[in-house]
Amino acid sequence: GQQVMQIPQYQHVQEGEDFTTYCNSSTTLSNIQWYKQRPGGHPVFLIQLVKSGEVKKQKRLTFQFGEAKKNSSLHITATQTTDVGTYFCAGPGFGNEKLTFGTGTRLTIIP
Amino acid sequence: NAGVTQTPKFQVLKTGQSMTLQCAQDMNHEYMSWYRQDPGMGLRLIHYSVGAGITDQGEVPNGYNVSRSTTEDFPLRLLSAAPSQTSVYFCASSKGLLTGELFFGEGSRLTVL
Repeated sequence: GQQVMQIPQYQHVQEGEDFTTYCNSSTTLSNIQWYKQRPGGHPVFLIQLVKSGEVKKQKRLTFQFGEAKKNSSLHITATQTTDVGTYFCAGPGFGNEKLTFGTGTRLTIIP
Repeated sequence: NAGVTQTPKFQVLKTGQSMTLQCAQDMNHEYMSWYRQDPGMGLRLIHYSVGAGITDQGEVPNGYNVSRSTTEDFPLRLLSAAPSQTSVYFCASSKGLLTGELFFGEGSRLTVL
C-alpha cells in the first residue's frame, strides 16, 4: 500500500534558526496537504499543493511540491516558539480515496 | 459552527468491553474518516466514508466497525476492546477528499486496561 515517510522524525532548533521537514511518498500523489498539530491538540490544515513543482508561501513558511509529485517539503524561516508542534504531510494517491499521513516531524524550539 | 464534535474526550475500558466513539459534523461534508494516533506512528486511517450509506476500510480496520446512516454522524464502534486499541482517536471530515482540508475533531483518548 501507499507509504508516506517524513524526515527527520524530531528536530530541535534554537529560536531564530530555520527548519525544514521532507516528505516522500511511495506513489504519485494527486495533491499534498500539510497539517500542524500543537502538543495535546488536533491536526490543523495548513495548505494544499496540487501542481507539479508548485511553491506556496505563508509568511515564514514555504511549501514545495516536487516535479514528480512524489515528494514535498516545508521550510520555516527564523523559527519562533509558536512554531512548536508536529508537522504532517498527507496525500491521496491517484484514484485513491484514502488520505495517508506521513509519520510527522516534531519540532521543538530552544528559547 | 461547532465543526467536528467528538465524544467522549476520555474513556477507560476493561479488556473485552465494547463502546462507541461518537462523531458529528455540521458542515454538510460528504467525506468523514477515523484515525488513530500512536506515539511515533503518525495518524493511521481506520475507516472512512464518502457519503451516507457508504463506508470502507482504511489501513488498520480490524477490531472496529463504522456506519454512516446520515451525512452528519459517523460513529466508531469497538466491539471487544483490547489493550492494543489504547490510543488517541480523531474523527475528521472534508467536503471531498481531493478538494482538500480535513477538519479534525479534538480527539478521544481511550485507555484499555
